[in-house]
Amino acid sequence: DAGVIQSPRHEVTEMGQEVTLRCKPISGHNSLFWYRQTMMRGLELLIYFNNNVPIDDSGMPEDRFSAKMPNASFSTLKIQPSEPRDSAVYFCASSFDKRMETQYFGPGTRLLVL
Amino acid sequence: GENVEQHPSTLSVQEGDSAVIKCTYSDSASNYFPWYKQELGKRPQLIIDIRSNVGEKKDQRIAVTLNKTAKHFSLHITETQPEDSAVYFCAASERASGGSYIPTFGRGTSLIVHP
Repeated sequence: DAGVIQSPRHEVTEMGQEVTLRCKPISGHNSLFWYRQTMMRGLELLIYFNNNVPIDDSGMPEDRFSAKMPNASFSTLKIQPSEPRDSAVYFCASSFDKRMETQYFGPGTRLLVL
Repeated sequence: GENVEQHPSTLSVQEGDSAVIKCTYSDSASNYFPWYKQELGKRPQLIIDIRSNVGEKKDQRIAVTLNKTAKHFSLHITETQPEDSAVYFCAASERASGGSYIPTFGRGTSLIVHP
């Protein structure tokens, strides 16, 4: 298994632009999580899905952030418009809640908003 | 909600020494406690975990202990090696109504092992 796949790995954009981050969870996993990691705030849970349904988005910082999971093998996190304070590493993680509590992280997307 | 405190934030040891990282949590409903290791520029990776019905678990040079009464859990690394240098995160998880285990992470401990 290739593990959790994220793209792009690096993104540099200008303030005001739309940013779309992509994630492919491990095949068979039914829970998907989006995290943001910064030095100041550590690892923050933004939103998670169970069986493609958004369960808790209370961690999404603002209306500029949105996430979708149209099917079991794909999810997006969109920031529109982006701001410099959105600069961070964004991780996607997946798990299979019927047998495993463990979350497996993707390699992350390093976002820099100028 | 859950609150996880992790100490110390930085830990510097000599190769061969032991390292201990401690975490406390607030929600007694938490019943799964994973530890992740994150090397510079890499993803967090699970190194060991413990469930609430167990007090201690060991895997080669690493061990985790859990005191549910006091809501404390700790990571112990013996015979540290330079490749153990990384940031270590603890987490306390409980099963949400939707079935997923939702972790709350500590702020991390930067472990530096000097050769």
